[in-house]
Parts: sequence; C-alpha cells; structure tokens
Amino acid sequence: DAGVIQSPRHEVTEMGQEVTLRCKPISGHNSLFWYRQTMMRGLELLIYFNNNVPIDDSGMPEDRFSAKMPNASFSTLKIQPSEPRDSAVYFCASSQTTDKQYFGPGTRLTVL
Amino acid sequence: KNEVEQSPQNLTAQEGEFITINCSYSVGISALHWLQQHPGGGIVSLFMLSSGKKKHGRLIATINIQEKHSSLHITASHPRDSAVYICAVPFSGGGADGLTFGKGTHLIIQP
Repeated sequence: DAGVIQSPRHEVTEMGQEVTLRCKPISGHNSLFWYRQTMMRGLELLIYFNNNVPIDDSGMPEDRFSAKMPNASFSTLKIQPSEPRDSAVYFCASSQTTDKQYFGPGTRLTVL
Repeated sequence: KNEVEQSPQNLTAQEGEFITINCSYSVGISALHWLQQHPGGGIVSLFMLSSGKKKHGRLIATINIQEKHSSLHITASHPRDSAVYICAVPFSGGGADGLTFGKGTHLIIQP
C-alpha cells in the first residue's frame, strides 16, 4: 500500500487566498484525521471522520476552516480566506477504527 | 479534553545509554500512542497500548492505567534514534477518537 497520500506537499500563498489541502487515506481504513503542527502549539487535532461522517470538529480554529470527506478515499481541508497565522504543517492520518494511526507526509503551508 | 504531560522535553545522551521518556495523562483512556517524528518531519506510530508492556526491537513501552502513566524506553541507544518522541491519547478517552498530544521529547544520541 502507498500509505496516506497528501497533496500538495508544499503550498505558498498570499493572505486572503483560498487554500485546499487533499488527503487520500489507506484503502480499507474507516477513520480519517486532520492535524496541524506549529512550533508554538505542537500537534493539534482539527477534525476527524468515521465512515466519512465528521465526528468532532471542535478543534477547527474558526469558520474559515472547513473539511469534507465525500467518499472513503478522499478528504479535503479548506481555508478561506487564509491568514499568516494559518502557516503550519497539516497532517492527515487514517486508521481502522481503534487501531493505530498512519500519518501522511504532511503539507507545509506558508501564508504570506 | 485529555491533558498530556511529557518529560523530559529535551534529552541528550551518549550512544549505548538506556533512555526513558515519561508520559502522564488526565482522563482515563482506552489506549495510548507513542509516535516518533524524524528530523525530516515524518510521523511514525511506534506503539499503541492499552495495558502492560509492548516491545519492538530496542524499544519498550509500558503503561499503568491506574496511575495514568506510560514510559517509553530505548535500550542500547544509537544516533539513528535521534528524533522527537510524542505521547498521544484519545481526545476524550475513547478508542476511535482523534488524538491529543504531548509536547514531545527531543532526543539526541551522540556517537
């Protein structure tokens, strides 16, 4: 298996622009997680899905952030409009319900 | 929300030394995760454990559910073990939750 796939790996954008991060989980995994890592706050849970249904989005910073999982093999995290404080590494992870989580390589986002 | 504390934050040791990293959490959980983050940024799950002890190569993880405490040990440490080690627990304790993380232990093993 190719593991969790994230795209793009690097994104540089200007403040106010829309950013879309993409994730393809490992085939057969029914849980998907979005995390964000910054120097100041470390790793934080943003949102997670079980069987394509959002379970807990309490970690989503504000209304500028939205996430979707239209099917079992694809999820997006969108930021609109982006701000410099959104600069971080965004990780997607997947798992089979109560099993360990497998992390993607991350997307390094820089908002100028 | 579960709170996770790790110690030490930074650890430098000589090759061959026995390493211990500690983790404590505030809310009862179904399982605890130990992760490794390489200098390049990738995150790998080392262990997921709910009781007792697990061993993989030179790595050993233990957990005491009653005391809400876990330890990660590295025997015969090697420079390639240099990484950030992160303890994580389910956000609200349940099995299929997203994770909440400790701040990590930055480990450097010198030759």
